[in-house]
This record gives sequence, structure tokens and C-alpha cells, in this order.
Amino acid sequence: DGGITQSPKYLFRKEGQNVTLSCEQNLNHDAMYWYRQDPGQGLRLIYYSQIVNDFQKGDIAEGYSVSREKKESFPLTVTSAQKNPTAFYLCASSLIVGTYNSPLHFGNGTRLTVT
Amino acid sequence: AQSVTQPDIHITVSEGASLELRCNYSYGATPYLFWYVQSPGQGLQLLLKYFSGDTLVQGIKGFEAEFKRSQSSFNLRKPSVHWSDAAEYFCAVGTSGSRLTFGEGTQLTVNP
Repeated sequence: DGGITQSPKYLFRKEGQNVTLSCEQNLNHDAMYWYRQDPGQGLRLIYYSQIVNDFQKGDIAEGYSVSREKKESFPLTVTSAQKNPTAFYLCASSLIVGTYNSPLHFGNGTRLTVT
Repeated sequence: AQSVTQPDIHITVSEGASLELRCNYSYGATPYLFWYVQSPGQGLQLLLKYFSGDTLVQGIKGFEAEFKRSQSSFNLRKPSVHWSDAAEYFCAVGTSGSRLTFGEGTQLTVNP
């Protein structure tokens, strides 16, 4: 079955360390997204990519970086510059950005805890 | 810019009771509208979507939603709630060529 795989499900890091969250999809989707979820704040877009080797900042990109070297993969790096990195991170994909017939498909998330 | 508001942060209903979750959007034209559901510690699953046509749309798990242009609303309903419906529900709005904007979510608790 096609889907989105995020790994690991739980991740623990010390403050000051960079950490990379993995996201792989086998849906043959062009667009991929990273969202951050905090209690009571809904989903906030960090970065998205419409095509390989291209990506755009979302609403809260500071302290994060991404790459899109392959269509299937869109890893997110949480850098030491991110002031409040502890959160639940969701990866999503869609056929393309912004059409009715291209809803988002989500992975099961990675919960990052930084102490 | 498009925006979406879910006025109810938390709703509690009894099993078997009816449910209505509110969603209001702000956008000049008719946007794409979606409802997603999230179980604890999981990703989001699409319940239903609307762009045009019949204003009452049916989704999975027995949910439906009604688009009301005059009220800029897209409320989610279910006639009889099951304990397994306890989850967080997100309304989202999008337009052609743009990314989705999500509401802040409504947490649903179902009492036995």
C-alpha cells in the first residue's frame, strides 16, 4: 500500500544538537510538506516542496532546513537555532500544490523532545 | 489572505448523540474546504472535501458537512456519535495553486 513513512516515531536530543527527521513517500506525489503541531495551535507549515530540488519557506521556517534531492524523500533538519524545538512534526504529500483533487496525505508523525 | 476559524476548542458529547463541529472561513471566492481527523499520536486522515456542487457532502465514517456561502461556514455533522469518534478534528481551507490553511482544531470527547 502506498503511504508516507516518518521515522523515528519518538526522538530525543540534547539542546544544541541538530537533528534530522525522515520522511519518505511512495505515492508518486510531487509536493511534500512539513508541519509542526503544538497543543492548541493547529498545524503550522514549516517548509514545502513542489518539485525535486526546489522548496519554499512556510510560516515558521526559522531554525529549520530541508532538502529535496529525490521525489520520494523530504528530510527536515531541526537546527540548534530553533528556540522551541520540542513538538510533534508531521510530514505530508499531495499530487501537486493547491487543487481540490489533490488533498494532503499525512504520515504518522515524529515526536521530538529536546532537553 | 485565507483564514479558517474553529470556534470550539473542546466538545463533549454522549455516545449516540448527534454532533456538529463548526468551521468558518474567510476568503473572497469559493475556496476548497476540507475536514481532517487526527487520532492521538497519529497523522491526519481526510474525512471529506468540498469545492462546488451539492452543498451537502458525505464523507467517510458516517460524517457529512454542509457548505453555507452566506455564513462562510462548513460545519461537520454526524447523526450518532460512536466512542471511536473521539479525536481531534481540523477544518482546512485552500485555493487554486496555494497551500492549505488549517484551523486550530476541535477536540472531541465521547462519554459512554
